[in-house]
Amino acid sequence: QKEVEQDPGPLSVPEGAIVSLNCTYSNSAFQYFMWYRQYSRKGPELLMYTYSSGNKEDGRFTAQVDKSSKYISLFIRDSQPSDSATYLCAMRSLVQGAQKLVFGQGTRLTINP
Amino acid sequence: GAGVSQSPSNKVTEKGKDVELRCDPISGHTALYWYRQSLGQGLEFLIYFQGNSAPDKSGLPSDRFSAERTGGSVSTLTIQRTQQEDSAVYLCASSYYGDHEQFFGPGTRLTVL
Repeated sequence: QKEVEQDPGPLSVPEGAIVSLNCTYSNSAFQYFMWYRQYSRKGPELLMYTYSSGNKEDGRFTAQVDKSSKYISLFIRDSQPSDSATYLCAMRSLVQGAQKLVFGQGTRLTINP
Repeated sequence: GAGVSQSPSNKVTEKGKDVELRCDPISGHTALYWYRQSLGQGLEFLIYFQGNSAPDKSGLPSDRFSAERTGGSVSTLTIQRTQQEDSAVYLCASSYYGDHEQFFGPGTRLTVL
């Protein structure tokens, strides 16, 4: 079983819809939770990060972390065609030396005009 | 300023040949990471360099893979005796030490025939 599980999709929704992307994880040592966005033939770019549990909002994007359930979510409101990309969740522990990120498989999202 | 750059952007090689992939991190970033992204998969950690410390090689899949970082800057990932299962996009990232945000390059797409 992978440490981080993410539904690969693909997910296709109409423009303006609310999108919900999710990941589950098994390692309780994870403390930093991130969402990266990756456009085709590009490297991933950090979209949002959250430390420990709670919510974080940035414009149309909201990240949620529920450590008790080992479940994280990214919500996109008023989705736009430019949001079409692959979204990867990533996590990191605070164990000394554990600098690597552990990624989910990525969810391919298409927003249809 | 300039981002992370990688070369070549594409590499096609024959099974059994050796390949070298290059990464130029963002100036001032002391941490450098290599990841591999296979078709439809998330990013898989390969190796991590931090300053002059011994690298974390825990993600290298076999002894055919090696990497070095010269002068705390440029890094080269070498794959010896390439196999078809090595075909993937190899991504390099850099960051300040301990920073949660890793900045990714565009990747090198390796195809082993």
